[in-house]
Amino acid sequence: AQSVSQHNHHVILSEAASLELGCNYSYGGTVNLFWYVQYPGQHLQLLLKYFSGDPLVKGIKGFEAEFIKSKFSFNLRKPSVQWSDTAEYFCAVTPYGGSQGNLIFGKGTKLSVKP
Amino acid sequence: DAMVIQNPRYQVTQFGKPVTLSCSQTLNHNVMYWYQQKSSQAPKLLFHYYDKDFNNEADTPDNFQSRRPNTSFCFLDIRSPGLGDAAMYLCATSLPGTLAGELFFGEGSRLTVL
Repeated sequence: AQSVSQHNHHVILSEAASLELGCNYSYGGTVNLFWYVQYPGQHLQLLLKYFSGDPLVKGIKGFEAEFIKSKFSFNLRKPSVQWSDTAEYFCAVTPYGGSQGNLIFGKGTKLSVKP
Repeated sequence: DAMVIQNPRYQVTQFGKPVTLSCSQTLNHNVMYWYQQKSSQAPKLLFHYYDKDFNNEADTPDNFQSRRPNTSFCFLDIRSPGLGDAAMYLCATSLPGTLAGELFFGEGSRLTVL
């Protein structure tokens, strides 16, 4: 069965620190990859996505993610976090051309940024 | 400004007492989804509608039903809630086709079962 693993349950950083959140998926075929973010008290929203092409994708608010096919990974990065980045981050995958939007989510990583 | 609106935000019910959660959207998206998210777990797809076509996930319990009377509205009915059904229920919408997978979520309805 397809699955998504997020390695860290809770990450605590100080402002200006660099961030990397790990995401690995298990699926043998072509996939679409996503990072969603949920700020406190708000709804899940799309941070960035990878469908094809350049494996380094840039999203909103200075986030980027790199798809490494050989490692089945799609790690999220930001060079310098801000207090406002405190949120929960979810990695998700759907098979390319698969069931409509049947996203397989990871369990999420809570990021706490200390001012 | 909100595009996917869920009501109520918080619902408390008693064991076995039916519950209906609602979702409305102003995006005119063809596809609407219901996800269940239990504490510290990944959101899990229960079912989705592509227009009026209903698609049930294989492992969604029969206790969960859904209705979509028109493009804008979708309902989640839990016929006999058990303690294990306490969770956040997320409604989402998307366009079909190549953009499938890019979901727009509501803020969720948190269900407590006493």
